[in-house]
Amino acid sequence: QQQVKQSPQSLIVQKGGISIINCAYENTAFDYFPWYQQFPGKGPALLIAIRPDVSEKKEGRFTISFNKSAKQFSLHIMDSQPGDSATYFCAASSAGNTPLVFGKGTRLSVIA
Amino acid sequence: DGGITQSPKYLFRKEGQNVTLSCEQNLNHDAMYWYRQDPGQGLRLIYYSQIVNDFQKGDIAEGYSVSREKKESFPLTVTSAQKNPTAFYLCASSTAGEKLFFGSGTQLSVL
Repeated sequence: QQQVKQSPQSLIVQKGGISIINCAYENTAFDYFPWYQQFPGKGPALLIAIRPDVSEKKEGRFTISFNKSAKQFSLHIMDSQPGDSATYFCAASSAGNTPLVFGKGTRLSVIA
Repeated sequence: DGGITQSPKYLFRKEGQNVTLSCEQNLNHDAMYWYRQDPGQGLRLIYYSQIVNDFQKGDIAEGYSVSREKKESFPLTVTSAQKNPTAFYLCASSTAGEKLFFGSGTQLSVL
């Protein structure tokens, strides 16, 4: 049973456009929602994270929107650049040192 | 530089052979993890350890084994019982179970 469902599987965006990746979860005990960015042949790196006490968090061109009632959260990349081309993973975990559960990933391609 | 070192970067396994993937961290993190990555499958948890000399199975532990004798080290053995071992293996560490720091991965292939 997939605990975190991520969509779309792949995404092509024009340079300067907005990239949007969505995730949904079922476990209401989840209270930490990070997004990771992975370039080919490398390990993922934390991009941005949010907790349920806020509905939005912004860091530079990256924004997480969080909808607790719908059990959904999304990543928005504003002014997308070719250097943003990577695979993005959403994840979730609950309190008490439980391991992160990852979505299946979205491969983003930003074309000029 | 602080970080996580995985070795080797590429590894080939023969039929019936056990192979061991190395993971070392100098971040002084208590928790360490092993994930398996297959195309389109995301990151799936194999084993994790929150403290030395203790570890727990993840979602896909069958055919794998680990040890945690030192805080800095968390090696993963892919045994001959793992019939489909070809994948990209990622080691990670964290403190307080939140922000994960990943190594650069080991690509395991079957000869």
